[in-house]
Amino acid sequence: EAGVAQSPRYKIIEKRQSVAFWCNPISGHATLYWYQQILGQGPKLLIQFQNNGVVDDSQLPKDRFSAERLKGVDSTLKIQPAKLEDSAVYLCASSLAWQGGASSYEQYFGPGTRLTVT
Amino acid sequence: SQQGEEDPQALSIQEGENATMNCSYKTSINNLQWYRQNSGRGLVHLILIRSNEREKHSGRLRVTLDTSKKSSSLLITASRAADTASYFCATVYNNNDMRFGAGTRLTVKP
Repeated sequence: EAGVAQSPRYKIIEKRQSVAFWCNPISGHATLYWYQQILGQGPKLLIQFQNNGVVDDSQLPKDRFSAERLKGVDSTLKIQPAKLEDSAVYLCASSLAWQGGASSYEQYFGPGTRLTVT
Repeated sequence: SQQGEEDPQALSIQEGENATMNCSYKTSINNLQWYRQNSGRGLVHLILIRSNEREKHSGRLRVTLDTSKKSSSLLITASRAADTASYFCATVYNNNDMRFGAGTRLTVKP
């Protein structure tokens, strides 16, 4: 079974530039997550999709971050404009659908995209 | 903050010893999950324990959950050098909100 795919693996940009990350979840997984993991910290949930609808984006800095999952499969996360503090690893994860209750399914993580903002 | 907090922040043991990590949280959860992260394999799910469960096992891993104390522990028995990694607890709330702690960095010396 293919895992969660992410690209690019590494990205270096200057502050105020824009960047986009791509994620392809495991086939059949309806729920998709984007996390930001700053060095030395645990992953912080940015946004959660159920199919192509947003379930939770309470921690997404909406003035500069945006995400979409138009067809309920692939997803892109964009940062525009980037700041120095956005330097982190951006992780995408997917899980089986949430059915009528809290998520009781494990999440499968991709390898992440390491973003460096200079 | 709703995220769990791991303790200790770092742990160093000899191969063959047991390693215990703890996670505490503040509000009622639906389930709690433990993940491992190392540079080779990224973030990997280890065990999920539901709020109505008290203990689960998976190979050399044992997880306990005490909802009255709002805490969980992860025990790794007979540790190996390959167990060197960061271990995170993730608390899942009834609104499907999932939060990771800052992790415990485990070093197993050969």
